[in-house]
Amino acid sequence: NAGVTQTPKFQVLKTGQSMTLQCAQDMNHNSMYWYRQDPGMGLRLIYYSASEGTTDKGEVPNGYNVSRLNKREFSLRLESAAPSQTSVYFCASSLTSGGLKNEQFFGPGTRLTVL
Amino acid sequence: KQEVTQIPAALSVPEGENLVLNCSFTDSAIYNLQWFRQDPGKGLTSLLLIQSSQREQTSGRLNASLDKSSGRSTLYIAASQPGDSATYLCAVGGSYIPTFGRGTSLIVHP
Repeated sequence: NAGVTQTPKFQVLKTGQSMTLQCAQDMNHNSMYWYRQDPGMGLRLIYYSASEGTTDKGEVPNGYNVSRLNKREFSLRLESAAPSQTSVYFCASSLTSGGLKNEQFFGPGTRLTVL
Repeated sequence: KQEVTQIPAALSVPEGENLVLNCSFTDSAIYNLQWFRQDPGKGLTSLLLIQSSQREQTSGRLNASLDKSSGRSTLYIAASQPGDSATYLCAVGGSYIPTFGRGTSLIVHP
């Protein structure tokens, strides 16, 4: 039981390049989330998927797109990376969504640097 | 907009002390509150989830309380150990978008 896994662990991009961050969970959770963590800003929600087939914007969605590929997988895409997107990205999942009704479980994170 | 504040921002204590970490929030219309631990360079590990109908939750040496009316939660760590050194974050859920505090960085020295 791996929980929430993320790939890659580290990535360096040049401004304007694109990439996709992958996330998978094996807990049969319905809801999945993408956060970014920046020094002095705390964690902020980028996008979430309340259930398979649905996605919604979070607090800071600009510059990102997401795909809920199936119940297990939720990917985050940066179409044209900018230095302001340098951050640590975390994927999380929970049984259901809405107001922390269930515990959220986090992956190990992807450390992204955009030059 | 919900705001979550954690005080103190950093704490350094000798091993064996009992600790209280604080989390305050501005909007009391929340569903639940969750406490996490984050080790350097790692993801967040869930410690406790307190539902809005509960006043406290316990797990081992950890006890978390919730007072919605005053907008406060505390995490009590009994008999602290060096292995407790980490950053502790609280998150408040009042909508689909949880709001996180910036954390308390704890160092427990032998």
